[in-house]
Amino acid sequence: NAGVTQTPKFQVLKTGQSMTLQCAQDMNHEYMSWYRQDPGMGLRLIHYSVGAGITDQGEVPNGYNVSRSTTEDFPLRLLSAAPSQTSVYFCASSYSMAVVHEQFFGPGTRLTVL
Amino acid sequence: TQLLEQSPQFLSIQEGENLTVYCNSSSVFSSLQWYRQEPGEGPVLLVTVVTGGEVKKLKRLTFQFGDARKDSSLHITAAQPGDTGLYLCAGERSSNTGKLIFGQGTTLQVKP
Repeated sequence: NAGVTQTPKFQVLKTGQSMTLQCAQDMNHEYMSWYRQDPGMGLRLIHYSVGAGITDQGEVPNGYNVSRSTTEDFPLRLLSAAPSQTSVYFCASSYSMAVVHEQFFGPGTRLTVL
Repeated sequence: TQLLEQSPQFLSIQEGENLTVYCNSSSVFSSLQWYRQEPGEGPVLLVTVVTGGEVKKLKRLTFQFGDARKDSSLHITAAQPGDTGLYLCAGERSSNTGKLIFGQGTTLQVKP
């Protein structure tokens, strides 16, 4: 099992550019989430999904879009990048039938917006 | 305002010392988790506590969930350089939502 994979590992964008951060998991987990991590702020939930075709907003959803067409993939789209979106982005998945949701995290994507 | 407040935010100690990290909230959580993160990697789960007053031990690490399920602590005995990293607490407000709220993290440095 590869677990949770994320691409790219690093990305530099100019203000206004768009891009998609890829996330895939091979553990057949229903739940998937996107977080951003900024210094001194822990991880903040951007969007999450409880299954294919179902997504919902987290704590900081503005400027980001998601879709979930398959169980395995959960891409995060930046529509028009802004310097405030400079951050490290983590994708995570968890097992839906668990009483407590242990999150399995990917290695992260470090994004810089100039 | 952070729903889960961790303290301290930074801790630098000598090998062999003991330490405690706190995770506090005014809200009740159905469960609390502790993660450890190393530079350049994603967080990895250490433990989950679900019952008020619960204590779990993982070798030199002791985790406790408060009786009212609003706070938790992580105690490390005889810290080692390998314990260095970022420690994050995370809570689920309602069970089976899959939505975790994270504290801001505690950066621990253990010097040999």
